[in-house]
Amino acid sequence: NAGVTQTPKFRILKIGQSMTLQCTQDMNHNYMYWYRQDPGMGLKLIYYSVGAGITDKGEVPNGYNVSRSTTEDFPLRLELAAPSQTSVYFCASTYALGQGGEKLFFGSGTQLSVL
Amino acid sequence: DQQVKQNSPSLSVQEGRISILNCDYTNSMFDYFLWYKKYPAEGPTFLISISSIKDKNEDGRFTVFLNKSAKHLSLHIVPSQPGDSAVYFCAARPGTGTASKLTFGTGTRLQVTL
Repeated sequence: NAGVTQTPKFRILKIGQSMTLQCTQDMNHNYMYWYRQDPGMGLKLIYYSVGAGITDKGEVPNGYNVSRSTTEDFPLRLELAAPSQTSVYFCASTYALGQGGEKLFFGSGTQLSVL
Repeated sequence: DQQVKQNSPSLSVQEGRISILNCDYTNSMFDYFLWYKKYPAEGPTFLISISSIKDKNEDGRFTVFLNKSAKHLSLHIVPSQPGDSAVYFCAARPGTGTASKLTFGTGTRLQVTL
């Protein structure tokens, strides 16, 4: 059981470049999330999805876009990379709320540097 | 505005002793609290949680205490082991209908020494 898989693990981008961070889960979870963690800070929610075709903004959505065409996949798109987007990105998923659904399952992260 | 605060960035404890990690929150709407553990180069993993209707939850060596009036929770690890060395994040969630949007603290790095 792979759980939540993120690719790539590391990436260096130049300012203005675009990229997509991939996230897939094999646990049939409806809820999926993207968080970023800056040094010395907690995880900040970027976007989340409660099911295929449904996405919503989190706390820090500017500069990012998401889509959720299937239950398994939740890619995060950076259109015009900026140095402020240098961070570690975590994808997470969970199942139904009220049944322990608060216990997010995280991927191992993508370390992104924008230079 | 940091709604979940972990004021101790780091903590060092000897093996076998008790580790106490603290967390304060400001949002009175939070009703579910969790602790996550994170090793380097890995994602956070769920450790233990507590609902606001309880004041204590225990799971093996790990116990979480919740003091709602003080808006404070703590994680006790007894006895501490070298494998417990990690960063611990406190997280909180408000009431239903919030799609599990957790708010995380900044983390406390625990070092368990021999």
